[in-house]
Amino acid sequence: SAVISQKPSRDICQRGTSLTIQCQVDSQVTMMFWYRQQPGQSLTLIATANQGSEATYESGFVIDKFPISRPNLTFSTLTVSNMSPEDSSIYLCSVLQHYGYTFGSGTRLTVV
Amino acid sequence: SQQGEEDPQALSIQEGENATMNCSYKTSINNLQWYRQNSGRGLVHLILIRSNEREKHSGRLRVTLDTSKKSSSLLITASRAADTASYFCATDENTDKLIFGTGTRLQVFP
Repeated sequence: SAVISQKPSRDICQRGTSLTIQCQVDSQVTMMFWYRQQPGQSLTLIATANQGSEATYESGFVIDKFPISRPNLTFSTLTVSNMSPEDSSIYLCSVLQHYGYTFGSGTRLTVV
Repeated sequence: SQQGEEDPQALSIQEGENATMNCSYKTSINNLQWYRQNSGRGLVHLILIRSNEREKHSGRLRVTLDTSKKSSSLLITASRAADTASYFCATDENTDKLIFGTGTRLQVFP
């Protein structure tokens, strides 16, 4: 299966600032996704990262708050903008290949 | 809401007992998957069952799927303390997107 390197693994950020999370995949993948997992909750899909075009966001998530880049088939970034304590969560990227889904190890974000 | 429902939300059992978790979903699917997550870490894929399958086994895991009721169950037999984790079902809803259930927190006491 694909190997995903997700960075940073954790961060503590001041409210009002932004954090960019990176996912690097060791092979080319068509489909990449970003999820949020709030404390004690399940995973919620934020958006599908589309290579060469704007991401497709799920209901409740907007580009201004969670801008996503996908410059090529192996790399994507998610930015959490103008952070508030409510953004404290684990953020995970995921890729889909012919054999199934693989998840990054997650970024644990704490906003203070 | 995106998510399907899982029950119970939390389950505590003794080692050696069986653990059963249930998942309900909302739309038609191509397949349903079960994942495990230890202490908020990365997800581990456990098993996938296709919409035309009714039951599947993998080691101590047994998964059933009832598409008429839009529900699935995960049975872990002869549980171990190492099985302590959160378990999530996830469906594709006939798309490439994976939508997760609310999860079951399993605690297995030695």
